[in-house]
Amino acid sequence: NAGVTQTPKFRILKIGQSMTLQCAQDMNHNYMYWYRQDPGMGLKLIYYSVGAGITDKGEVPNGYNVSRSTTEDFPLRLELAAPSQTSVYFCASSPGTLGELFFGEGSRLTVL
Amino acid sequence: TQLLEQSPQFLSIQEGENLTVYCNSSSVFSSLQWYRQEPGEGPVLLVTVVTGGEVKKLKRLTFQFGDARKDSSLHITAAQPGDTGLYLCAGLYSGAGSYQLTFGKGTKLSVIP
Repeated sequence: NAGVTQTPKFRILKIGQSMTLQCAQDMNHNYMYWYRQDPGMGLKLIYYSVGAGITDKGEVPNGYNVSRSTTEDFPLRLELAAPSQTSVYFCASSPGTLGELFFGEGSRLTVL
Repeated sequence: TQLLEQSPQFLSIQEGENLTVYCNSSSVFSSLQWYRQEPGEGPVLLVTVVTGGEVKKLKRLTFQFGDARKDSSLHITAAQPGDTGLYLCAGLYSGAGSYQLTFGKGTKLSVIP
């Protein structure tokens, strides 16, 4: 079972470059999330989606954008990368608001 | 934004010892989840507690939800090296018709053989 798949696993960007982190889930979950995890800081919610065509900001959305054109895919776009965006990014999905989060393996991004 | 405090931040113990980690908030949770995260991987759900005073056991792990639903604890009996990892609690808060899941900063556990 694939579950939640994230690509790429590692990426190095230069300041000012842009990129998209891909996330796909095969569990037919309506809810999808993007988190970032910094050392000693836990998980911070960037954006989330409750279904195709619906997205909303989380706690730390600045510098990021998302789209949800299908139930399966929830890409995260970084525009004009900054060193503060160096982090590990996790995509997660859930069958509902109160349900378990299923996480991908993470994408480690370094901005130099 | 709701705050969720976890303690201790780091814990290093010998194999066979017992330990307890704590998760506290000044707000009431609708429910609380515990996750374990191993290096290079995403968090994996261990348990969800919903009712105040609830106790759940998962082999050597015992989870307790406070009566007032503002705190939770995870107790591990006879820790093993395989228990090593980052333990995260996540509280679900509800209000004004919406739900918000907030993660604590985690407890990094190392079990030394």
